[in-house]
Amino acid sequence: ILNVEQSPQSLHVQEGDSTNFTCSFPSSNFYALHWYRWETAKSPEALFVMTLNGDEKKKGRISATLNTKEGYSYLYIKGSQPEDSATYLCAFRRNDYKLSFGAGTTVTVRA
Amino acid sequence: GAGVSQTPSNKVTEKGKYVELRCDPISGHTALYWYRQSLGQGPEFLIYFQGTGAADDSGLPNDRFFAVRPEGSVSTLKIQRTERGDSAVYLCASSSLGNSPLHFGNGTRLTVT
Repeated sequence: ILNVEQSPQSLHVQEGDSTNFTCSFPSSNFYALHWYRWETAKSPEALFVMTLNGDEKKKGRISATLNTKEGYSYLYIKGSQPEDSATYLCAFRRNDYKLSFGAGTTVTVRA
Repeated sequence: GAGVSQTPSNKVTEKGKYVELRCDPISGHTALYWYRQSLGQGPEFLIYFQGTGAADDSGLPNDRFFAVRPEGSVSTLKIQRTERGDSAVYLCASSSLGNSPLHFGNGTRLTVT
């Protein structure tokens, strides 16, 4: 069993504020780190696939960083909007292609 | 284009019955995953197919669970002698090779009464 930990489990943020949260994963046999956004009543949607230590990815107001040596990734949301409310899942891929998910961070943006 | 399709979207069955859950992946995607998600938890890996073969079935909880993908496209997850603890959302995802992201279906919500 691969331990992929996400923290915090949930957070509330005021509209317009920025926030970030963490995904930690095993630092051995690293292949890739995925981030997904899962909105209520929809299917999970891919945000980023990150493979290199030091990688930084950006999509609109959302960005992510990756540290494979210490086994963590941060997801940042800048200027949160109500449509950012969702559960954000990270998933760790070993070099055997198995993808293991964390429990997610549920973000609620208050207007 | 068409995404990943899962049917049925909801299934209610009685304890002890047999159920089949179907997944239609995106055309051309060789990799297919099944996950199970219970309330408050992240998706739990069940099985991974590369083409027609199950490359990793280590997540299947016991021998009541079985999955097939006979022609390398549609997959069926089969659960025998269902138990109340099998109640969950079953997610299917497909991807192309390499570091491509997963494309998920909307899931099948299974309720065992």
